[in-house]
Amino acid sequence: QLQLQESGPGLVKPSETPSLTCTVSGASISSGHYWAWIRQSPGKGLEWIANVDYTGYTSYNPSLKSRVNISMDTSKNQFSLRLTSVTAADTAVYYCARQICTSHPCYAKFYFDSWGQGTLVTVSS
Amino acid sequence: QSVLTQPPSVSGAPGQRVTISCTGSSSNIGAGYDIHWYQQLPGRAPKLLIYHNTNRPSGVPDRVSGSKSGTSASLAITGLQAEDEADYYCQSYDSRLTNWVFGGGTKLTVL
Repeated sequence: QLQLQESGPGLVKPSETPSLTCTVSGASISSGHYWAWIRQSPGKGLEWIANVDYTGYTSYNPSLKSRVNISMDTSKNQFSLRLTSVTAADTAVYYCARQICTSHPCYAKFYFDSWGQGTLVTVSS
Repeated sequence: QSVLTQPPSVSGAPGQRVTISCTGSSSNIGAGYDIHWYQQLPGRAPKLLIYHNTNRPSGVPDRVSGSKSGTSASLAITGLQAEDEADYYCQSYDSRLTNWVFGGGTKLTVL
C-alpha cells in the first residue's frame, strides 16, 4: 500500500529557505508516475506547487517557479521541495502526493490519488 | 479567487441527496479537461473521491457520483450520512494558467 510522509521545519523566519521532504513507501518513485507538492492555506485554498516525474523531469506552478525547487533522491525513495525567500504568505499545510496520469494527454487528465498527512509550515519572526 | 467556482457551503438531512457544483470556463472544464473530486475530513488530508469526471476509486460507495457538462461539473451524494460531513474540492487543468487548479471548496453539513 502506497504511503507518503512529509517532514519539514515547522516554524521558519521570513526570508529563510526551508526544505520539505516526502518519504514514499510501497512504491519506487523511479519506476513511474509523477510526484507532487500541494499546499493549503486559509487564504488561497489548495494550490499545486510542483511535480517531478520518475525520470527527474520537473514542472512548476508559474506563480511560484522563481522561488521553488523540487528534486528527488531515488536512493532514499524521497522527493523534496525547497522554497526560497519565504514570507507570511507561504504559511500553509504542505502536502506531498502522487500525481497520476492514466490516459493521454497527461496534462488534461492528471489527478492526485494518494496524499501524505501534511506538514504545517509557519513563517513568522 | 479560484478559476473553478464552488458554493461555499451546502447542507442536507440524513438520507437526502445533495449536489455540489464546480463552475469553470473555456480554459479549463469547457476545454474538455477532466474534473476530479476530493473529500477532506476535518484535520485530514484530501482523499480522491472521483477521477476522470465520473470514475470512483475502489472503496468509494456508489452513492457518490460525478458528472460534467459544458463549463461545469457536479458531485452528487445520495443517501446522505453523518460521515459525509466534510469539505469537497474539484480539480482540473487550466490552459491559461498552465497549471493544475482546485476549486475553493464546499463545506457539506449534514443536518
